[in-house]
Amino acid sequence: ETGVTQTPRHLVMGMTNKKSLKCEQHLGHNAMYWYKQSAKKPLELMFVYNFKEQTENNSVPSRFSPECPNSSHLFLHLHTLQPEDSALYLCASSQDEWEGTDTQYFGPGTRLTVL
Amino acid sequence: KNQVEQSPQSLIILEGKNCTLQCNYTVSPFSNLRWYKQDTGRGPVSLTIMTFSENTKSNGRYTATLDADTKQSSLHITASQLSDSASYICVVSPRITGTASKLTFGTGTRLQVTL
Repeated sequence: ETGVTQTPRHLVMGMTNKKSLKCEQHLGHNAMYWYKQSAKKPLELMFVYNFKEQTENNSVPSRFSPECPNSSHLFLHLHTLQPEDSALYLCASSQDEWEGTDTQYFGPGTRLTVL
Repeated sequence: KNQVEQSPQSLIILEGKNCTLQCNYTVSPFSNLRWYKQDTGRGPVSLTIMTFSENTKSNGRYTATLDADTKQSSLHITASQLSDSASYICVVSPRITGTASKLTFGTGTRLQVTL
């Protein structure tokens, strides 16, 4: 266990549904991240929060909406997704927003399938 | 454009054998390079991290090497075990103070260790 948990682990949703992914870190870190991992593609950074403030939105479509109520919790709200959004969504945390040798600790991911 | 290329894409070896995975990058200026291990259905876990001044770093049966002049890194696995079956991802950080979006991920090498 890396101290980062994600729920649910698997999610199947229709294009008209609204769902949320949850991430919680128990490491006392100040930065949290959302990544998208598609088959045979590098991890794609989606959002970064540092001390609860969003510091990075990597040109992510508005159908993905992040929320960070505190330094330990991170949500990703989903609505009107497309089939190409099907992927593994990974949450990560680090002591602070990345600097030098700071290591990111990843959760197990949520496998999302959009029908 | 910063890129990280890994080879081979996939590899099958017999238990007990050694193997070497390759990572070439074009990130410049360079700060550090990480190797992550990602088990199926799990998030990546950090194995090693090397700064530009380090040539080698070991973590048990895993040994990473770095040649900052040729911009190449390798991950050598000794006496492979079934539990080594996973994807191995190379991640490179530039020498700038910035956000996590500056990390460049490779697509990974999928290793399968068989009996």
